[in-house]
Amino acid sequence: GAVVSQHPSWVICKSGTSVKIECRSLDFQATTMFWYRQFPKQSLMLMATSNEGSKATYEQGVEKDKFLINHASLTLSTLTVTSAHPEDSSFYICSATQGGTDTQYFGPGTRLTVL
Amino acid sequence: QKEVEQNSGPLSVPEGAIASLNCTYSDRGSQSFFWYRQYSGKSPELIMFIYSNGDKEDGRFTAQLNKASQYVSLLIRDSQPSDSATYLCAVNPNTGNQFYFGTGTSLTVIP
Repeated sequence: GAVVSQHPSWVICKSGTSVKIECRSLDFQATTMFWYRQFPKQSLMLMATSNEGSKATYEQGVEKDKFLINHASLTLSTLTVTSAHPEDSSFYICSATQGGTDTQYFGPGTRLTVL
Repeated sequence: QKEVEQNSGPLSVPEGAIASLNCTYSDRGSQSFFWYRQYSGKSPELIMFIYSNGDKEDGRFTAQLNKASQYVSLLIRDSQPSDSATYLCAVNPNTGNQFYFGTGTSLTVIP
């Protein structure tokens, strides 16, 4: 149980385009989803926390107009990187928690490369 | 002071030995503690969690929690080369579901 998927697993795009990443909880309802970014050989950096039906809470320094998060249902959250630039190239990972627990289950990650 | 601190390593142990990974945290009110394993290029996967003082065993893994000293450790018995990865300690400071992650300890098990 507690499986989280992400799509796509990797994406290459041109600078200035927008990219949408989906995060789904496959066998449970995710009350809270988290989005992280990880650069090579660095630790996880929390970008934002989202609860179903509410606006996401962004961490300090993360531009909410650039990283749009939509948590439309209890099984789906999306992260859209708008007007992507090469410095946005990174490994984006989502995680989810079930109601009543605080254990975070991670998706497999999406590797974004912006040319 | 970082909320969660880990020795970045690298830590090398021979195959079959016990690997000991340590983590300290700053928020004394923290209630939930987690160990994740992350292979290079992959996302973290949950190894185990612990809430109460003492030891918790799951197969070759044992988590140890000492709230008075504010540390949590992970022991890996009979280490295997497949255990070579970065181990992340995570703490829930009990202010919501957000975790504080350590920077991870890189473990190499030498055949």
